[in-house]
Amino acid sequence: RKEVEQDPGPFNVPEGATVAFNCTYSNSASQSFFWYRQDCRKEPKLLMSVYSSGNEDGRFTAQLNRASQYISLLIRDSKLSDSATYLCVVKPYNFNKFYFGSGTKLNVKP
Amino acid sequence: EPEVTQTPSHQVTQMGQEVILRCVPISNHLYFYWYRQILGQKVEFLVSFYNNEISEKSEIFDDQFSVERPDGSNFTLKIRSTKLEDSAMYFCASSDLSTGEDEQFFGPGTRLTVL
Repeated sequence: RKEVEQDPGPFNVPEGATVAFNCTYSNSASQSFFWYRQDCRKEPKLLMSVYSSGNEDGRFTAQLNRASQYISLLIRDSKLSDSATYLCVVKPYNFNKFYFGSGTKLNVKP
Repeated sequence: EPEVTQTPSHQVTQMGQEVILRCVPISNHLYFYWYRQILGQKVEFLVSFYNNEISEKSEIFDDQFSVERPDGSNFTLKIRSTKLEDSAMYFCASSDLSTGEDEQFFGPGTRLTVL
């Protein structure tokens, strides 16, 4: 079973739309959770950490459900510049390694 | 803003040759990582490094691979005898876990092409 699973997409949405991505992880002892974005042939860039209480940064909201081992990312009012691949990343407790999902591709169209 | 740098940006080598990929992590970071991403596939963890030794490594990180921090700034990944399947983007990352925040910051990557 994969450590981190994501719907690969692509999600094709119009500008201004709200879009949500989901991610599940297999290790219940996972400690830290992140969303990164990756543009084509570029390095992953941290979008936001995901906290147990949920957190928001402008148009982006992340939620964590430990009981269901599920992380989500909500993007409101999508911009063309949001087009990218969104990577779900999980770090197990007490291990200094990070597991990446395969990513969900988002295309925001005018 | 401090950033992770990597050199070279693109390395072309013949199968069986040794390559060294170089990284300069963010200066006050203590934890260093190498990842690889084969074209069209996911980012895969290779190794983490702290206090001058490997803290974790994946199944991919076999005897062909080694890492080193030869001085106070560089962090290198050596592949001893490259194979065609080593062709990938290699990303270095660093983090400062001492603050309790374990976000990683990635370098721009080195594209390795093995012919």
